[in-house]
Amino acid sequence: NAGVTQTPKFRILKIGQSMTLQCTQDMNHNYMYWYRQDPGMGLKLIYYSVGAGITDKGEVPNGYNVSRSTTEDFPLRLELAAPSQTSVYFCASSYGYDEQFFGPGTRLTVL
Amino acid sequence: EDKVVQSPLSLVVHEGDTVTLNCSYEVTNFRSLLWYKQEKKAPTFLFMLTSSGIEKKSGRLSSILDKKELFSILNITATQTGDSAVYLCAPTTRGGTSYGKLTFGQGTILTVHP
Repeated sequence: NAGVTQTPKFRILKIGQSMTLQCTQDMNHNYMYWYRQDPGMGLKLIYYSVGAGITDKGEVPNGYNVSRSTTEDFPLRLELAAPSQTSVYFCASSYGYDEQFFGPGTRLTVL
Repeated sequence: EDKVVQSPLSLVVHEGDTVTLNCSYEVTNFRSLLWYKQEKKAPTFLFMLTSSGIEKKSGRLSSILDKKELFSILNITATQTGDSAVYLCAPTTRGGTSYGKLTFGQGTILTVHP
C-alpha cells in the first residue's frame, strides 16, 4: 500500500494563478481531509469529506475548493492564489473518527 | 470554539534526559486524544487515548489522559537525538456531521542535543 500520496511536492505560484493539489489514498478510507500548516503553527483544517460526493468546510476554507468524485481522490483547488496561501498542505485520510494518516505534503509559495 | 494549548512551546535537552510534554484542551463532544510526531514532514501517529488514567506505552514513550481535568501528558525517557521533532496533540470530537474532527495544538518543539 502506498498510503496517502500527494502531488506536487513543491510549487511556486504567482499571485492570481490557480492550481490543483492532488491527493490519493489506497486504503479505502471514507474520510479524507485537507490541512494547511503555517510556520511554527499546528495544522488547520481546510475541507473534509466523509465519502464520495460529500464535502464540507473546515476552519479555513476561503480561497479553496474541493471535490470528491471517487473514494480514492480528493483534490484541492486554489483559485486566484494569494501570498496568504503560502503554506505546507497536507492531505489525510481515516477509516473512522480517530487516527488519520497523512500524506507527505505539498510546499506552496505564492509570490 | 475548540481550544488546544500545548506547553512548553519549545524544549532543549541533552541525550538521556526525561521530558514531559503537556496538552490541555477545551472541546465539545470529546471523543479521544491523539499524539503525533512531526519531523520536517508529515505527522506520524504515536498514541490514541480514550480513557482517563490508563497509560499507553511504546518503548521510551508513554502517555496518559485526564478527562476530568482536560489534559494529557506525553513522557519521553532516556531521550535520543532521533526524538528531536515537533510533538502535536489533537483531541477528536464527534462533529455535527459525524466526522472525526481533529483540532491540533501549536505543538512542542523538542530538540535533543548529543
